[in-house]
Amino acid sequence: DIQMTQSPSSLSASVGDRVTITCRASQHISSYLNWYQQKPGKAPKLLIYVASSLQSGVPLRFSGSGYGTDFTLNISSLQPEDFATYYCQQSSSTPRTFGQGTKVEIK
Amino acid sequence: EVQLVQSGAEVKKPGESLRISCKASGYSFTTYWITWVRQMPGKGLEWMGRIDPSDSYSDYSPSFQGHVTISADKSISTAYLQWRSLKASDTAMYFCARHVITGTEDYFDYWGQGTLVTVSS
Repeated sequence: DIQMTQSPSSLSASVGDRVTITCRASQHISSYLNWYQQKPGKAPKLLIYVASSLQSGVPLRFSGSGYGTDFTLNISSLQPEDFATYYCQQSSSTPRTFGQGTKVEIK
Repeated sequence: EVQLVQSGAEVKKPGESLRISCKASGYSFTTYWITWVRQMPGKGLEWMGRIDPSDSYSDYSPSFQGHVTISADKSISTAYLQWRSLKASDTAMYFCARHVITGTEDYFDYWGQGTLVTVSS
């Protein structure tokens, strides 16, 4: 199985801050990397697919980059509704696997 | 509007069987796979397996192979996740999701609301 490792596991930030979350794959996955946002008690929501494509309806402050084994999710200016847990997920091979999650909390 | 509507919460005893459902609407059910994801209390997301509703081909994560069965009934646009013998460790929220697979893209774009399964004696 491909292991996905996110960092940090949690972070505290203020509204308006730029936030960066990284995700590392245990082997090369090309651009087969997706990002999801999950709020408490809710289903995950797709933000970014194939590393850098913004899902329809997702605000432009979200962006993704990376290739191979190292990937990044950026939030350019954190908004109150962005406080949530973020997961990366590889879709290069079966089984699909998720990172452990990064919880973004209010400072 | 694409929707995946899951069956309601379940409370079961260890050793009992269970089938939960995921009804799709708003798109052609046989065009996209359905994937199942587990989330144990306070924990992260785990991919369990997927099914192609057009031919009912399914595959599983080794972590779940043999313990759950994924099936689909395309006549009613519904996918299922089934256990023959539940364990306390199956207590979790289970999500279904529409699984887009093309030559260059592979992701889960629409999700059900989740089904909470509680297994306790």
